[in-house]
Amino acid sequence: SQQGEEDPQALSIQEGENATMNCSYKTSINNLQWYRQNSGRGLVHLILIRSNEREKHSGRLRVTLDTSKKSSSLLITASRAADTASYFCATLYAGNNRKLIWGLGTSLAVNP
Amino acid sequence: DAGITQSPRHKVTETGTPVTLRCHQTENHRYMYWYRQDPGHGLRLIHYSYGVKDTDKGEVSDGYSVSRSKTEDFLLTLESATSSQTSVYFCAISGGGRQVEQYFGPGTRLTVT
Repeated sequence: SQQGEEDPQALSIQEGENATMNCSYKTSINNLQWYRQNSGRGLVHLILIRSNEREKHSGRLRVTLDTSKKSSSLLITASRAADTASYFCATLYAGNNRKLIWGLGTSLAVNP
Repeated sequence: DAGITQSPRHKVTETGTPVTLRCHQTENHRYMYWYRQDPGHGLRLIHYSYGVKDTDKGEVSDGYSVSRSKTEDFLLTLESATSSQTSVYFCAISGGGRQVEQYFGPGTRLTVT
């Protein structure tokens, strides 16, 4: 099946540093979404960027989208220990019937 | 997790037995989804529903069936559980129109022995 791919698979940083994770996808999309999953919990929607947008901000989150490279990045600034989680990108492909295609996730550890 | 619950939260069952997982929402959202999450595979869609009595298959639907007789409830049935169906199952909901974000339940951890 088609899937987005995140990199890196795992990331470990110190509190206060910035964390960047990337997502690549395969075909034309309607939008791309980022989700967070804390250990043992359900996923939480963070931010959505549409195919005609290039950058969006939400608090300490910044998402960029480059449709020519079929890639997106999620930047978390001034990270906190509470940001420790897995982060997933999900794409809604153009013409797709409301089914998201999920990446395998980036596991982020923020050390105090 | 507000507005969406899953039951049971944990279940251990034996190979060959039928199992039904329930997803209940209070948000009146049109779309409901069942996923399974396994290490190395990420989230995989089992079935989804786009309205009462309207369902469609996802990428890993074999061995699973679903029913949606009312807006708020979406049931996932494992007709004859196998060890390969040991997983964490998540339900998600999404509204219609431009509201395409999905909201997830807390998950059900199912172990098939």
